[in-house]
Amino acid sequence: EPEVTQTPSHQVTQMGQEVILRCVPISNHLYFYWYRQILGQKVEFLVSFYNNEISEKSEIFDDQFSVERPDGSNFTLKIRSTKLEDSAMYFCASRGPTEIHYEQYFGPGTRLTVT
Amino acid sequence: SQQGEEDPQALSIQEGENATMNCSYKTSINNLQWYRQNSGRGLVHLILIRSNEREKHSGRLRVTLDTSKKSSSLLITASRAADTASYFCATYVMGFQKLVFGTGTRLLVSP
Repeated sequence: EPEVTQTPSHQVTQMGQEVILRCVPISNHLYFYWYRQILGQKVEFLVSFYNNEISEKSEIFDDQFSVERPDGSNFTLKIRSTKLEDSAMYFCASRGPTEIHYEQYFGPGTRLTVT
Repeated sequence: SQQGEEDPQALSIQEGENATMNCSYKTSINNLQWYRQNSGRGLVHLILIRSNEREKHSGRLRVTLDTSKKSSSLLITASRAADTASYFCATYVMGFQKLVFGTGTRLLVSP
């Protein structure tokens, strides 16, 4: 069964460093998402991406964040200058192949630890 | 209350018993979904119920939706130790592309 994959599973970085989290969505999906979950808290929406552009973003997704789909398979989240409060699990999700397929399929997550 | 709040926050039962979790939300929705999360892992989609549906079944799962009360419930029948996880409701708000997750219910099923 197709699945969303994410790399790395765990990333440790120092405050102020740039990180890139990578995701490979399900191949025939068209809608892509990043969510995050701070330890013990609810899952929060960060950004949605469709047709090579951001379709919606949350207040969390400020200028320090960016997303990219550099080729036909990868979907990345970049945090330019990490802060301690960026420590969280980051989940990629995809849905498709059409607009009416609402179920989102999540990857296993990347645990980001900012020290 | 926030969009998507579940109760109880934690539920502890014995294997074979039924587990019921409730979710309330605030805005008009297109659909409501339930997800399971094992400790420290990703979210697994369980079931989706559309705003024009009142009840849906999938295996041992039964979901109800009451749009007049803006609430949903998830029933897991004949629970197993492997059902131990956190369960989240997530709403697809009208006009938006994102899922809004609830606070979750931590379910512990003891053998």
